[in-house]
Amino acid sequence: NAGVTQTPKFRILKIGQSMTLQCTQDMNHNYMYWYRQDPGMGLKLIYYSVGAGITDKGEVPNGYNVSRSTTEDFPLRLELAAPSQTSVYFCASSTGTGRSYNSPLHFGNGTRLTVT
Amino acid sequence: DAKTTQPNSMESNEEEPVHLPCNHSTISGTDYIHWYRQLPSQGPEYVIHGLTSNVNNRMASLAIAEDRKSSTLILHRATLRDAAVYYCILRDFTSGNTPLVFGKGTRLSVIA
Repeated sequence: NAGVTQTPKFRILKIGQSMTLQCTQDMNHNYMYWYRQDPGMGLKLIYYSVGAGITDKGEVPNGYNVSRSTTEDFPLRLELAAPSQTSVYFCASSTGTGRSYNSPLHFGNGTRLTVT
Repeated sequence: DAKTTQPNSMESNEEEPVHLPCNHSTISGTDYIHWYRQLPSQGPEYVIHGLTSNVNNRMASLAIAEDRKSSTLILHRATLRDAAVYYCILRDFTSGNTPLVFGKGTRLSVIA
C-alpha cells in the first residue's frame, strides 16, 4: 500500500493564480481531511469528508474548496491564491466503519506551497 | 474539545528514557488520549492512544494518571530518529471519527 499520496510536493504560485492540491489514498478509508501547517505552529483543519459526496468545513475553510467524488480522492482547490495561504498542506485519511472511532489518521508527506 | 498543555520543548540523551508530559485537566469521561509525532519534513504519524489504563506498543508506552487529568508518553530508549514534535490530543469517542485538533506540541531534541 502506498498509503496517502499528495502531489505536488512543492509549488510556487503568484497572487491570484489557482491550483488544485491532489490527495489520494489506497486504504479504502471513508474519512479524509485537509490540514495546513504554518511555520512553528500546529496543524489547522481546513475541510474534511466522511465519505464520497459529503464534505464539511473545518477551522480555516476560507479561500479553499473541496470535492469528494470517489472514496480514494480528496482534492483541495485554491481559487485566488493569497500570500496568507503560504503554508504546508497535509492530507490525511482514517477508516470510519464499525467501532473505529479511535482509528488513527494516516498522513501524507505534505505539499509545500508558496504564494508570492 | 478539551484542551491539552504540553511543554514547548524537551531534550534527551540518546539511549536514555524520555518522559513527555501532557496536562488535560478538563478531560471528559468520553475523551481518549491520543499521541502523534511529526518528524522533520513529514506528516504526523500515530504513536499511541488510551482511555484509562496504561498502554504499550512497539513505539512507546502511555501512562495515564488515575484521575485522568494528565498523561505521560514514555519512549523507553530515545534514538536520534525520535527527534520530532510530539502532540497530545483528546478525542471524544462519542463523536465518531472527528478530526483531530492539534496544538503546538513538544519539540523533542535527542543528543548523541
